[in-house]
Order: sequence, then structure tokens, then C-alpha cells
Amino acid sequence: KAGVTQTPRYLIKTRGQQVTLSCSPISGHRSVSWYQQTPGQGLQFLFEYFSETQRNKGNFPGRFSGRQFSNSRSEMNVSTLELGDSALYLCASSLARGSYEQYFGPGTRLTVT
Amino acid sequence: AQTVTQSQPEMSVQEAETVTLSCTYDTSESDYYLFWYKQPPSRQMILVIRQEAYKQQNATENRFSVNFQKAAKSFSLKISDSQLGDAAMYFCAYRSVTGNQFYFGTGTSLTVIP
Repeated sequence: KAGVTQTPRYLIKTRGQQVTLSCSPISGHRSVSWYQQTPGQGLQFLFEYFSETQRNKGNFPGRFSGRQFSNSRSEMNVSTLELGDSALYLCASSLARGSYEQYFGPGTRLTVT
Repeated sequence: AQTVTQSQPEMSVQEAETVTLSCTYDTSESDYYLFWYKQPPSRQMILVIRQEAYKQQNATENRFSVNFQKAAKSFSLKISDSQLGDAAMYFCAYRSVTGNQFYFGTGTSLTVIP
């Protein structure tokens, strides 16, 4: 069974631009969560989607948004990029909310210049 | 809100020796999950071991085992017979049984000395 995939793996953007990251969960998994990882703040929860609905949201500004499609694939969008948005963005998938098993993708490394 | 604390930013161990990584957490919930994840330089987060809070028996996965002390809210990871491939950042994480949000510690960087 294929693992969680994230595209693109690396991305360089300039301040003020917007970016869309994609996450394809493991086949059959319906829940997708997103995390931002930075050296200063560590791993921080962005949001969680289940059955195309956002179920939970972390403490991030409205510039960060996401969505989930009927095939459970998820995208996150960051508008008006700031230098501080440079980070590794990780996606995790699980069968359902509260599932014991949750698997992470390899991440997308976003650099904002 | 739940918090997870890893008080050891860096640890080192000789190859073939045993090392223990510490983790404490704070929660008012009675049932939850605890995890140890490993993140090598490749950045892929890999599940090492997990524990359900209602289970008193400590989880074990080959060379990896945990010491789960629910009353003390402590969840340490023991790595036996350390190997060079164990070198990585290790994160302790908490998750409620009703949601999917992980609460991560700040990580412990483990170096394995040949």
C-alpha cells in the first residue's frame, strides 16, 4: 500500500505570493491533518479534515487555509507569504478521527525569500 | 490544552549501548494515546512506538520499549543495542482518542557514537 504523498517536495516563493501544497493520504484513509515544522516553534498543528469538512483548526492566521476533496486528497493554501512561513509542512493521514494509527508524509519544504 | 515536555534537547549513546529519552505531558483526560516518532535527516516522520493510556502494560517494539507511568504523566523511550541508524530527532507526542491533533514535544536529538 502506498504511503502518504506530498507534492511538491520543495518550493521556493517570494514574499507576497501564494502557494498551494497537496497531500494524498493512504488509500482508504479519510482523515488528513497538517502541521508546520520550524526550528523555532517546533511542530504546530494547522488543521484537520475529515469527510471534506474542517474538524479542527490550530492557531494560525487566516492566510492559512485548506480543503479536502471527495477522494480525501487535501490541499493547503497560504496567501500573502511572509518570510516566517518558511517551514517544513507535514501532512498526516488516518482512517478516521481518533484512529490509533496515523502516518506522516515526507513533507513539503517551503522557502520564502 | 495538553502540553508535552522533552527536557533533553540532545543525547548521545555509544553504539550497542542503551539510552533512555524522557517525556512528560500534562492532560486532564483519562484516555489518550502517546507516541514516539523518529525524524531522521531525510525529514520523514516515522512512528517508533505507541501506547494507549488505558493499557497498563508498557509497549515494546523490538529494541524500543517505553516506561509509561500514567500517574506521573511520564512516557520515556528506551532504545536498547543502539545502532547508527537510530541517530535522529525523536519526538514525543500526545493525542486525544476523540480527535486527530497531535501535541508534540520539542524533540531530542540523538547521536549514536560508533
